[in-house]
Amino acid sequence: GENVEQHPSTLSVQEGDSAVIKCTYSDSASNYFPWYKQELGKRPQLIIDIRSNVGEKKDQRIAVTLNKTAKHFSLHITETQPEDSAVYFCAARPISSGSARQLTFGSGTQLTVLP
Amino acid sequence: NAGVTQTPKFQVLKTGQSMTLQCAQDMNHNSMYWYRQDPGMGLRLIYYSASEGTTDKGEVPNGYNVSRLNKREFSLRLESAAPSQTSVYFCASSEALSGATGELFFGEGSRLTVL
Repeated sequence: GENVEQHPSTLSVQEGDSAVIKCTYSDSASNYFPWYKQELGKRPQLIIDIRSNVGEKKDQRIAVTLNKTAKHFSLHITETQPEDSAVYFCAARPISSGSARQLTFGSGTQLTVLP
Repeated sequence: NAGVTQTPKFQVLKTGQSMTLQCAQDMNHNSMYWYRQDPGMGLRLIYYSASEGTTDKGEVPNGYNVSRLNKREFSLRLESAAPSQTSVYFCASSEALSGATGELFFGEGSRLTVL
């Protein structure tokens, strides 16, 4: 089955700096890679995703890059703000399954943005 | 639209006691899931239901049972709680169309402590 490794487990940055979280996956059949954000005491919510036919996707201050050859993908947050402080989870699955059943999550990264 | 609602939000059990976590969604989604979240381990799938009338084991099903009561409701039962089941439990739902991204919509979580 799929194995997703996520690094680092904790990350502290100064407000305004950039943050990068990296994930690697093992199953070459995976072709859909979402990122979920979980604020303290809240539910995880999807913030951005990418399919394998795209190398990069941006949405305002967040972007995700994918290297299928190396089997890794990364989340980039620019101009970080205090509200970016949260736990971020990467995940991977084959999109053909049509279900989140085969979605495998990474272990999470606690991002803290220092004022 | 309430989305995904789960109850209770907090529960303390003694070892050996039983309890049921309730979950309901009003988004007309076919698929529903139960995850547990433990520190440093991300979100692990306990059971899922691809559609009404079907259920199947996920990554960590031991000690749990589920019931897909109808399209809206999916409950998780602990028959004889153990301290190892102390965790935060999340119910989620998604649309399950072949080729779709299957974005997960989570409930607010249920924090369970087993003494």
